[in-house]
Amino acid sequence: GAVVSQHPSRVICKSGTSVKIECRSLDFQATTMFWYRQFPKQSLMLMATSNEGSKATYEQGVEKDKFLINHASLTLSTLTVTSAHPEDSSFYICSAREPQGDEQYFGPGTRLTVT
Amino acid sequence: AQSVTQLGSHVSVSEGALVLLRCNYSSSVPPYLFWYVQYPNQGLQLLLKYTSAATLVKGINGFEAEFKKSETSFHLTKPSAHMSDAAEYFCAVSLSYSGGKLIFGQGTELSVKP
Repeated sequence: GAVVSQHPSRVICKSGTSVKIECRSLDFQATTMFWYRQFPKQSLMLMATSNEGSKATYEQGVEKDKFLINHASLTLSTLTVTSAHPEDSSFYICSAREPQGDEQYFGPGTRLTVT
Repeated sequence: AQSVTQLGSHVSVSEGALVLLRCNYSSSVPPYLFWYVQYPNQGLQLLLKYTSAATLVKGINGFEAEFKKSETSFHLTKPSAHMSDAAEYFCAVSLSYSGGKLIFGQGTELSVKP
């Protein structure tokens, strides 16, 4: 089946710094990738939809200048958390969809801790 | 607007007992429905999906779900729980099976007692 990887799996950064999370589709090309965040014991909340070669579409309430998304190729999307604050600490999960595909394939997630 | 409600944030069953996780949806158009499982500190794995074909859907690991339009439900069942089934389960709805946005329920944590 389709495999999606995320890097890093966990990261700790200091408040005020920026951190980049990568999402890669390993064995297929993904025209669309999605970014979710998940707080402990809670559900996944969609942050943005990323389409290859175009600007990401952000969900209501998500700051696009804080969560920068780049989908420069058909196998890679990146999420950069800028000027991170402790409240940005969360589990970030990406998913990817094939051009003619019917479902999303999820990455293993990235645990971000901002100190 | 679409929404998903999972009844019961935590369900506990004994090993070998029936597993029943409830999911109700709200959608103005025929939905596409999914069940995912998440193990601690991991991403989501698709258990099964409803694609407007057969109303009884069989998935991996012995799970199945039945789409009931009259009840707007898509409950997940497994005849006999195994210890390895302990995890978080999410029901999700999408307008389009062409990979549209997923709206997730709140999740149900399944515990399996020996």
